[in-house]
Amino acid sequence: AQSVTQLGSHVSVSEGALVLLRCNYSSSVPPYLFWYVQYPNQGLQLLLKYTTGATLVKGINGFEAEFKKSETSFHLTKPSAHMSDAAEYFCAVLETSGSRLTFGEGTQLTVNP
Amino acid sequence: EAGVAQSPRYKIIEKRQSVAFWCNPISGHATLYWYQQILGQGPKLLIQFQNNGVVDDSQLPKDRFSAERLKGVDSTLKIQPAKLEDSAVYLCASSYSGFYNEQFFGPGTRLTVL
Repeated sequence: AQSVTQLGSHVSVSEGALVLLRCNYSSSVPPYLFWYVQYPNQGLQLLLKYTTGATLVKGINGFEAEFKKSETSFHLTKPSAHMSDAAEYFCAVLETSGSRLTFGEGTQLTVNP
Repeated sequence: EAGVAQSPRYKIIEKRQSVAFWCNPISGHATLYWYQQILGQGPKLLIQFQNNGVVDDSQLPKDRFSAERLKGVDSTLKIQPAKLEDSAVYLCASSYSGFYNEQFFGPGTRLTVL
């Protein structure tokens, strides 16, 4: 079965600082990987996804993530945090059989002025 | 393009009562999902429909939860009777067809069971 681990339920950065949100997955085969963002009282919005091909994936709002098979990781980064980035971020994995999307428990990002 | 619509946005009930949630997916989306998101956790899939047929309901507590999508468009999720542990946000999502296409999420219904 697939599983996703997000290291750090809360991450706090200063405005303009690097954002790094960690995600590790377990899978017997290379999966599809996703990052979603959830703003308060809203549904989830897709930030970016990795399916095949280039391992560095660029998403919306300046975020990017790199798939590292050897480390079973898919960490999310943004060079310079903005106040509007404050939200909860979820990493998710989909088996290539397409059976089910499994989410991590989320990381709450706080951006301090 | 209108997004996924859900109602109500908030619901407070007492345990053992019944409750129903409604979802209208994006027009043309064949696949509809219901997720349960307990506070502090990621969403967990309850049921997936492809048109009006059930694809995956393995994580749906069938003794108290039911869902239908009769005409392959909107859907209703029901809980009867509710338990305290059902307090959560219930998210509806839709995609053009299947998991490989991006899922678009509604704003969710926040259920509190007292």
